[in-house]
Amino acid sequence: GDSVTQMEGPVTLSEEAFLTINCTYTATGYPSLFWYVQYPGEGLQLLLKATKADDKGSNKGFEATYRKETTSFHLEKGSVQVSDSAVYFCALETQGGSEKLVFGKGTKLTVNP
Amino acid sequence: GAGVSQTPSNKVTEKGKYVELRCDPISGHTALYWYRQSLGQGPEFLIYFQGTGAADDSGLPNDRFFAVRPEGSVSTLKIQRTERGDSAVYLCASSLTSSTGELFFGEGSRLTVL
Repeated sequence: GDSVTQMEGPVTLSEEAFLTINCTYTATGYPSLFWYVQYPGEGLQLLLKATKADDKGSNKGFEATYRKETTSFHLEKGSVQVSDSAVYFCALETQGGSEKLVFGKGTKLTVNP
Repeated sequence: GAGVSQTPSNKVTEKGKYVELRCDPISGHTALYWYRQSLGQGPEFLIYFQGTGAADDSGLPNDRFFAVRPEGSVSTLKIQRTERGDSAVYLCASSLTSSTGELFFGEGSRLTVL
């Protein structure tokens, strides 16, 4: 079945460091891909998405490019801030109409001042 | 309210008891989802409603789990004869059917079965 594998955490960085969180997927066809973020004490929220190969999703300085050839959707940010501390989840949408998301295990990011 | 509301936020119960968890989705959202998140794991799909009907219940682990959405708005997840392995955070999400993949999640109901 469809699955998502993402980089195990936790990840600890200093403010202004470069961030990469790796995500690869296994799926039938060409699913849409997502990054969701969960800030402390809040619900999951969509960070960015890409719906087809070579699309780049971006939001709040974060970017991820849909790479069909490597089945990857790595999350990057050039300069992290303390406020980016959160748990990040990579996800894909299964095909078949129910908009069902399959999530990775999550990567906890802590950014220190 | 503006977001997805879930109650209770925390529930502690004893093994064998019956539990109900409630979800109040964003007004106007016709799609509603339940997910379960165990410690250190990502959310796992349980069931999806489109309006009042369960369009996909393939994620429900067994027949102790049941969910309803009688009027196409509020949903209740019901767990019978709870087991310690049911302990997890139960997440509800809603969406407009036209929004691919953009689910709006509540903060979850943390269930602990002693």
